[in-house]
Amino acid sequence: DQQVKQNSPSLSVQEGRISILNCDYTNSMFDYFLWYKKYPAEGPTFLISISSIKDKNEDGRFTVFLNKSAKHLSLHIVPSQPGDSAVYFCAARGIGNEKLTFGTGTRLTIIP
Amino acid sequence: DTGVSQDPRHKITKRGQNVTFRCDPISEHNRLYWYRQTLGQGPEFLTYFQNEAQLEKSRLLSDRFSAERPKGSFSTLEIQRTEQGDSAMYLCASSHRQGGFSGANVLTFGAGSRLTVL
Repeated sequence: DQQVKQNSPSLSVQEGRISILNCDYTNSMFDYFLWYKKYPAEGPTFLISISSIKDKNEDGRFTVFLNKSAKHLSLHIVPSQPGDSAVYFCAARGIGNEKLTFGTGTRLTIIP
Repeated sequence: DTGVSQDPRHKITKRGQNVTFRCDPISEHNRLYWYRQTLGQGPEFLTYFQNEAQLEKSRLLSDRFSAERPKGSFSTLEIQRTEQGDSAMYLCASSHRQGGFSGANVLTFGAGSRLTVL
């Protein structure tokens, strides 16, 4: 039962353009959503998070949007840089729960 | 502090053997987590500790798996009688929490221990 879904396994974007990574979830009890980035041979590193009471959170080039009615969130990276090439995981946490449920990841490639 | 350390980084073993992984979290972090990641999947939760107490275990953690955090610092994850299906990356993460479930509780992950069972 995949409660967090990232339907695009890969995405290629030109350097300088906007990268949009999408994530859908099915569990309405999720109250926090996080994005992690992973480089090869390294562990996932935290990028940005959003609480279910908000619809947008911004941190520099990274913005996360949450649409609770659609159970959908997206990560926008603008402008995209070559160092952004990595696998991006969407994760969600349930109310009163310490467990993070991850999606399967999207491999982002920034084309110079 | 150099972050979350995991050892060994790679382990190749034969089916039926026991393996143990060690995780050293960030020193001021009171919570420690184990996740497992297989090819093409995201990390899956296995268990977590607050200090030395193991507070939650996933049903993925069969009887062959045991995790400890004896003094609330480093943790070990042991897999007994390994099976080929145990081949995966085992990720450790830590965080600092002061009661309650508010906030995002950002986890800092180690680089992982890759297990290959032949």
